[in-house]
Amino acid sequence: SAVISQKPSRDICQRGTSLTIQCQVDSQVTMMFWYRQQPGQSLTLIATANQGSEATYESGFVIDKFPISRPNLTFSTLTVSNMSPEDSSIYLCSVVGSYNEQFFGPGTRLTVL
Amino acid sequence: GESVGLHLPTLSVQEGDNSIINCAYSNSASDYFIWYKQESGKGPQFIIDIRSNMDKRQGQRVTVLLNKTVKHLSLQIAATQPGDSAVYFCAEKSHVAGGYQKVTFGTGTKLQVIP
Repeated sequence: SAVISQKPSRDICQRGTSLTIQCQVDSQVTMMFWYRQQPGQSLTLIATANQGSEATYESGFVIDKFPISRPNLTFSTLTVSNMSPEDSSIYLCSVVGSYNEQFFGPGTRLTVL
Repeated sequence: GESVGLHLPTLSVQEGDNSIINCAYSNSASDYFIWYKQESGKGPQFIIDIRSNMDKRQGQRVTVLLNKTVKHLSLQIAATQPGDSAVYFCAEKSHVAGGYQKVTFGTGTKLQVIP
């Protein structure tokens, strides 16, 4: 199984600022994803982080709001830009393992005031 | 559009009893289904999966049943324990343009185990 860590684990931010979330995996993985989980809700896929190219965004999510970097096969960042209270959520990094299992990080709990 | 949903948002079960969590899906093209367990403050944890060419798959204390005729998926937990208390999500994986697989999550069921 893949071990995924995220930084920060939680943060409280002011409206209009930006936060960058880091995701580190203990092994090289091809597929890496970012999800959002709003309070009491299910998970929604934001984008697929592609190594060496631009991320692939799902409907309703745009690069200007959620820029993503994927410099190598073990690391990715998600930035939540120009935050508003509606961005308060848990943001989760996810990877696909060798046997096609999908693993999730512990999440970053973001509160925007 | 595609959707994966659950019949019951909350399920309370006596410790030692069996639990059954249900899920309906609408995308007949999905070829892979997964159940996840999410404990408070943690990310979802893989429990068990099943491919669309199977009807049943068993793990340790868990069984997943797939009925493709009615597009229904269920997770059965035998001898439910307090540690099973969590939110359970079904998810489906389908191929999308670009050659990668997209995982769509259901709404989740909260399982409460009564000691």
